[in-house]
Amino acid sequence: EDQVTQSPEALRLQEGESSSLNCSYTVSGLRGLFWYRQDPGKGPEFLFTLYSAGEEKEKERLKATLTKKESFLHITAPKPEDSATYLCAVQLYSGGGADGLTFGKGTHLIIQP
Amino acid sequence: NAGVTQTPKFQVLKTGQSMTLQCAQDMNHNSMYWYRQDPGMGLRLIYYSASEGTTDKGEVPNGYNVSRLNKREFSLRLESAAPSQTSVYFCASRTSGGVVGEQFFGPGTRLTVL
Repeated sequence: EDQVTQSPEALRLQEGESSSLNCSYTVSGLRGLFWYRQDPGKGPEFLFTLYSAGEEKEKERLKATLTKKESFLHITAPKPEDSATYLCAVQLYSGGGADGLTFGKGTHLIIQP
Repeated sequence: NAGVTQTPKFQVLKTGQSMTLQCAQDMNHNSMYWYRQDPGMGLRLIYYSASEGTTDKGEVPNGYNVSRLNKREFSLRLESAAPSQTSVYFCASRTSGGVVGEQFFGPGTRLTVL
């Protein structure tokens, strides 16, 4: 069965304390891996798409990387406004044409001033 | 551009009542999706529409129906609501062209079924 697992479930950091969030996947036929940010009471906000192992994408304090089995979201010198739930999702090849994303449960990140 | 909009934002139903959740996008996207999000679980795909006039089941379609009214609008209907359908429902649309693309989400509808 295809699975997407995110760790840790929750992470509390001090402002400026860098860390990484993990997304491991056991899927057959990966078309793309996506990172989203979700604030309380809001819809997921798109951050990055990664297509192939070795690829990296950056945006402000965030950098996403991809290997054949996992992806990391690195957060450098975070600020309190980076507090949110970060979601990882994969899009699969499917002969049936299924086109939706399979999501992990997310990592709830809190950055303390 | 408003992006993806959803109505209503909140709804409370009694068991057995019916309702339709509305979704519209103004990004000229071909593909649209309905997901539900429950505590402790990832978002799960209910139905999707790859293009106007087509719809397909996702992971958890039981108890729901959908209509792709036109390119902009994709509605989700609960014919006889059950407490297990208490959830937050998100609509999304995907950039057109190619087989892979990021999905953009609406703000969600928070539904409680008593």
